[in-house]
Amino acid sequence: SQQGEEDPQALSIQEGENATMNCSYKTSINNLQWYRQNSGRGLVHLILIRSNEREKHSGRLRVTLDTSKKSSSLLITASRAADTASYFCATARMDTGRRALTFGSGTRLQVQP
Amino acid sequence: DAGVIQSPRHEVTEMGQEVTLRCKPISGHDYLFWYRQTMMRGLELLIYFNNNVPIDDSGMPEDRFSAKMPNASFSTLKIQPSEPRDSAVYFCASSPESDTQYFGPGTRLTVL
Repeated sequence: SQQGEEDPQALSIQEGENATMNCSYKTSINNLQWYRQNSGRGLVHLILIRSNEREKHSGRLRVTLDTSKKSSSLLITASRAADTASYFCATARMDTGRRALTFGSGTRLQVQP
Repeated sequence: DAGVIQSPRHEVTEMGQEVTLRCKPISGHDYLFWYRQTMMRGLELLIYFNNNVPIDDSGMPEDRFSAKMPNASFSTLKIQPSEPRDSAVYFCASSPESDTQYFGPGTRLTVL
């Protein structure tokens, strides 16, 4: 089963607006990461937040993590048409020590120019 | 650095044929991962290596799938015999000691 589930599955906004995507997961984690995938391309790492962190910023990206609720959110501020892509959360589990990531089902973001 | 390199980018083959996908990780990265992406199942981990040694192959769907990493700069994922349900995009990713993974462009496999 998917470790992470993104919400919403699809999001359409106008350029300049903010986009918020949510991710829920099921097990204890070491860290949570967000990746972007443009159509027909590989995934690109955006940001990593560790289990002892609550919020992290990188440019126009803001990520929050609530380990008590097992959830995370990704906020993209002042969106641009170039932000159009699918966004995935990925978790690194703590219990097994595995380095592998478990990916959610993704949110498809469409930014209208 | 050129990033993770995968070949071929597209592969069309007939059911029953052997398929070999290739990956060159980023130099100096100790970890290499193989993922499969489909509309139905999303992105799934198949296997990963640390210092050329397979660590976790629990995601390999069945014995028709095998992966090797003969050296630090090369890995293969082989499907023999291939079946239509193997059609997917296969990604290779590599990682240094940090947790960030760097993905290749993927190989789109179509099995007719």
